[in-house]
Amino acid sequence: DAGVTQSPTHLIKTRGQQVTLRCSPKSGHDTVSWYQQALGQGPQFIFQYYEEEERQRGNFPDRFSGHQFPNYSSELNVNALLLGDSALYLCASSLVAEGRHGYTFGSGTRLTVV
Amino acid sequence: DAKTTQPNSMESNEEEPVHLPCNHSTISGTDYIHWYRQLPSQGPEYVIHGLTSNVNNRMASLAIAEDRKSSTLILHRATLRDAAVYYCILSGNYGQNFVFGPGTRLSVLP
Repeated sequence: DAGVTQSPTHLIKTRGQQVTLRCSPKSGHDTVSWYQQALGQGPQFIFQYYEEEERQRGNFPDRFSGHQFPNYSSELNVNALLLGDSALYLCASSLVAEGRHGYTFGSGTRLTVV
Repeated sequence: DAKTTQPNSMESNEEEPVHLPCNHSTISGTDYIHWYRQLPSQGPEYVIHGLTSNVNNRMASLAIAEDRKSSTLILHRATLRDAAVYYCILSGNYGQNFVFGPGTRLSVLP
């Protein structure tokens, strides 16, 4: 049973560019959440998607946007990259009806902005 | 903002029990208590969760205070592979507001 898969695993971008990260949720899950984790810190919640709509959002600027597709997979887009966007980006999936059981996380995409 | 507080770091000797505390004084009646851990260069991994009663699984035990304002994750026999950052998280019944704090960095000494 495949867990959460994220692609790519590593990415280097130049300041000002745009980036798209991808996530396939665990089989049977319908909700996808995205987190940003800077070095040495805990993951920070970006947003959550359910039924192809953004259901909840953390304290991130509009440069961060997302999308959920009918097959529940998701993309995270970041525009006008800043050096401070360098981080590990984590995707987590869950089944909304069983959200009390928590999330399954992927291994993340390491984004470096130079 | 995280609704939990944990010590920044803890140390344990291999094969000894470890008790990782978490305070969550503002917990609501419907909040679930989750524990995750994160090994270097990996995503967070589920450890255990509970609502009111103590919980046991193959990885750990979760002891929840009677007033639910604190909880303790218990690793019965620490191994070197248990060295990780441990996060205590509160969330709603549908997994909403799943917010991480800084966590506790556990070091296991051989």
